[in-house]
This record gives sequence, C-alpha cells and structure tokens, in this order.
Amino acid sequence: EVQLVESGGGLVQPGGSLRLSCSASGFTFSNYAMHWVRQAPGKGQKYVSGMRSNGGSTSYADSVKDRFTISRDNSKNTLYLQMSSLRAEDTAVYYCVKGSGYSNTWGPFDLWGQGTMVTVSS
Amino acid sequence: SYVLTQPPSVSVAPGQTARITCGGNNIGIKRVHWYQQKPGQAPVLVVYDDSDRPSGIPERFSGSNSGNAATLTLSRVEAGDEADYYCQVWDSSSWVFGGGTKLTVL
Repeated sequence: EVQLVESGGGLVQPGGSLRLSCSASGFTFSNYAMHWVRQAPGKGQKYVSGMRSNGGSTSYADSVKDRFTISRDNSKNTLYLQMSSLRAEDTAVYYCVKGSGYSNTWGPFDLWGQGTMVTVSS
Repeated sequence: SYVLTQPPSVSVAPGQTARITCGGNNIGIKRVHWYQQKPGQAPVLVVYDDSDRPSGIPERFSGSNSGNAATLTLSRVEAGDEADYYCQVWDSSSWVFGGGTKLTVL
C-alpha cells in the first residue's frame, strides 16, 4: 500500500526540540522530493520544508529557517524534520508529503500522510 | 514573498457550478495547483499545472489561469464536494499556498 506515516509529534515547551519522522512505503522513495507541510488549528496549509530525491537540495520557509532541519535516509525510506527553538506559533499538525514530479522536480504533492500533532506550550 | 489570495468562502446549490479564485501578481505565468481538503482528512490534489487532473479526479473539476487570477471550477456540484480548497504555486524555490476557500453546498 502506498502510504506515508508520521511519528514523533507531542507536547514540548517553548524553546524545546522535537524530531519528526515519516516512514514511506509502496513507492520508490529515493526517486521523489519529499516535504513537510503544517496546518495550525483552524488555519490553512503552510509549507515548512522540502528535500530533493538525492538529498542534494533543500527548501525552507522563512519562518523556520535556521531552526528546523530536514533530512532523509533513502536506505530506510524515511524523512525527518529536526525542530529546535520551538515557539507557540509552531503548534500545528505536521504532514509528510510526497512530491509528484508532475510539474517540476519538487511537486506538486500527490500523497499526504495523516499528520502528527505538535503542541508547543508551557 | 509571493502572496496568493483566495475568498474565504463560496456557496453553491447542488447541480450548479462553483468557481474558486486564486489571485496573485502575474500568476498567469506560474503553474497553479489545487487541493481539496475534507474535514479530518489530509488534502488531495485535484488539479495541477493550471488545468490537468490527476488520475481518479472527476472531469467535473477543471482549472484555468490567466493574468492575475487562477480559477478552479467545479461543475455539477455535489454534496460531497463540500470542503476547503487551496491553491498553490512554486515561487522563489519554495511552495506557497493560498489561504483556502471553504466551499459550502447549500
């Protein structure tokens, strides 16, 4: 079955760190760009970060640059997001997303995980 | 940074046509993608590259893009089309989403 399964979300204090993981199955993970997108409660989708298939190029939203780091392990079909210096405004559901390659090497997105909730609060 | 503007809500009666706009500076030169998100579910790509449909998406979903606005058109709207819709473009090596439009089927 083609799917993405996120893990690692939870409650963290402001200033803390958290590492999200995304396990991919059912497709050749190493062939596709992968991304993280977040959605704050009651709000719209916001792009967080992405990485090309071979890990050679990354993209970050300005709001997370220098605080979040994306990485991938193609041998384990897994995408990661290391989050540090977390703020209340980082509270959101974090989705792992697959780039389709339909339009360019980065996307658009043709497969989404169910998301993992990250809550930043004291 | 590039801004995409969508109306917060659109309402339509069953069987009618709904049009959801996505405004952006000279968006006509970009490729616009559209997602549907139903409550409690992850988004689904319904239109890419302005007007193409992924496999499995009904022909009732169509798109256009010109000038400063792109449009997602849903023909013969059904109750099951009620959802939030987001437009998306690639700009300055990053993805940008519109704020989303809630489609209500009356």
